[in-house]
Amino acid sequence: TQLLEQSPQFLSIQEGENLTVYCNSSSVFSSLQWYRQEPGEGPVLLVTVVTGGEVKKLKRLTFQFGDARKDSSLHITAAQPGDTGLYLCAGSYNTDKLIFGTGTRLQVFP
Amino acid sequence: DTGVSQDPRHKITKRGQNVTFRCDPISEHNRLYWYRQTLGQGPEFLTYFQNEAQLEKSRLLSDRFSAERPKGSFSTLEIQRTEQGDSAMYLCASSFRGKIEAFFGQGTRLTVV
Repeated sequence: TQLLEQSPQFLSIQEGENLTVYCNSSSVFSSLQWYRQEPGEGPVLLVTVVTGGEVKKLKRLTFQFGDARKDSSLHITAAQPGDTGLYLCAGSYNTDKLIFGTGTRLQVFP
Repeated sequence: DTGVSQDPRHKITKRGQNVTFRCDPISEHNRLYWYRQTLGQGPEFLTYFQNEAQLEKSRLLSDRFSAERPKGSFSTLEIQRTEQGDSAMYLCASSFRGKIEAFFGQGTRLTVV
């Protein structure tokens, strides 16, 4: 059972475009993390959000945690080919295991 | 900083054989997690340790799977009598107790033929 649904599943865009990836759940999480994964590699942590309504920025990436701590979004401004990868959200009820989303595969063409 | 290390990176085995994977967490991290990821999916939790104690096991972890962390440092994941459905990326992660962030290794890709 996948508790975290991500949309879209696939996204193919041109360099310079903006995009938003959504992560939705019916469950309330104590924290939510975003990872990026490249083929054949493990996920790399991008950010952790813990407070409802929290917004964090990482260069061209903006992460938001929903007020009710059930959903999150990742916005990328002026995407670059180096942003290509699988973006995963993962929720945690405490500091134990992570529950991962279904993933969004992003392809940015030059 | 050596990060989380997994060995081997790739393993091809015949159906019915046993395989063992190793994970070395970030030093001082007392929590260690195993996840499994199949193609096109997000990782799924298998089990986790706090020091040497195995605190939780997923229903995904059948009787053919066993994990150990004997001295609270490295961990091993063994799969007995492998099946084709075991083909996946096996990921290890570690964290410090009380901290949210988990850091992943590069994974071991298992192919059962």
